[in-house]
This record gives sequence, structure tokens and C-alpha cells, in this order.
Amino acid sequence: DAKTTQPNSMESNEEEPVHLPCNHSTISGTDYIHWYRQLPSQGPEYVIHGLTSNVNNRMASLAIAEDRKSSTLILHRATLRDAAVYYCILCNFGNEKLTFGTGTRLTIIP
Amino acid sequence: GAGVSQTPSNKVTEKGKYVELRCDPISGHTALYWYRQSLGQGPEFLIYFQGTGAADDSGLPNDRFFAVRPEGSVSTLKIQRTERGDSAVYLCASSPQLAGGTDTQYFGPGTRLTVL
Repeated sequence: DAKTTQPNSMESNEEEPVHLPCNHSTISGTDYIHWYRQLPSQGPEYVIHGLTSNVNNRMASLAIAEDRKSSTLILHRATLRDAAVYYCILCNFGNEKLTFGTGTRLTIIP
Repeated sequence: GAGVSQTPSNKVTEKGKYVELRCDPISGHTALYWYRQSLGQGPEFLIYFQGTGAADDSGLPNDRFFAVRPEGSVSTLKIQRTERGDSAVYLCASSPQLAGGTDTQYFGPGTRLTVL
């Protein structure tokens, strides 16, 4: 399975934008890039996914590099409720299981 | 609508005992997954059901672990002769089985298992 690399932790001020990076240099052409997050004492929660083009939804935006070897999850205006561990995961057809790394622990400073 | 539910939320047992953990997926979701999460780690895949059958059980650590989904809905994860190393949060997820690579998994809150 193609692997992803994320920083262990990041901090951001409340109401500021947050850019969470993910490197996936061995991504294959059919791998989708998924982001999940896990709030304290909860199960993971889907955030967003994309293949080649940048994506936006109500929670976040996903910016994908042109060579697809990296991506960035963007939270436009962080709130205290966004404090969580964020996981970047590659998903391919026929490989339905999610392979989680250790993710990035995001701390929001009031 | 209702999300994925798991019972019990907490389970404390003694070494050597048998435990069952239950997962109620979102209605209509054909795919069901079990994961295990140890402290400070990301969730680790255990088994995946497509309907009633186990499509991928490659993550089960040994033959003490077994899971069933007899009617294609509720699933039970069974652990025999529990060991202290089995202590973890057991997570269940379900998905509607969309086109490969685009499917979204919906997770339950987990069952925290403690083996004394």
C-alpha cells in the first residue's frame, strides 16, 4: 500500500486558517486521497476526499499538487471544535480497508 | 438518521475470559469494518464484511479473534481467551459500498475493552 507522511503535531490560533500537509510520493494513478479526523474519545469522521482536482465541502478544502505527490487539507477558519487528530489516507479500488498512520494532532489555541 | 452504534461502550474483563462486541451499522450499508485502536496509535484494520461474508480478514491478529455478520446487518466481534494485550478501543464502521476508492466509512464511537 502506498504510504503517507504527516507531521506529528501542529498548532493554530482560533479563527485562523489551518493548512495540514500530507506527502504521498508513491501514490498510484488510481489512489484517491481521503482525509478523516478523530475528535477526542470519538471514532474517526470523514472530512473530504479527492483524486486530481481540488475539492471543497462544508468542512474543508483539499488542495492536491499537480504531480499528486502531496496534498493539503485546509480548514478555512479553525474553531476549538476542530482540535483533533487528522489522518491522510490513500484509497484504491479493491482495497476497501483504510490504512491509518499516526496522523497530525491539531491543537487550536483560543 | 441514526449512525453506527456499538455496545457496550466499555467492557472490563479478566484475562482468559470470552467477550463479544456488537456493532449496528447504518441501515442499508452493505459493507462493515472492524478496526482496533491502541493508545496513541491510529486505528488498525481487522476485518471487512461485504454483506454476510468476510471479504477480507487479513487483519485479525490470531485465531482467538472471530467476527460474524449472519444477516448482513449487525456484526459481532468475538474474542476468546482474552489477553492483556487485547486491551484497546474496538471501532466499527459501515459504508454504502460506492465505487472503489470513493467510498466513505462511517465510524461508531467504539468499545473500550480492558483486560485485567
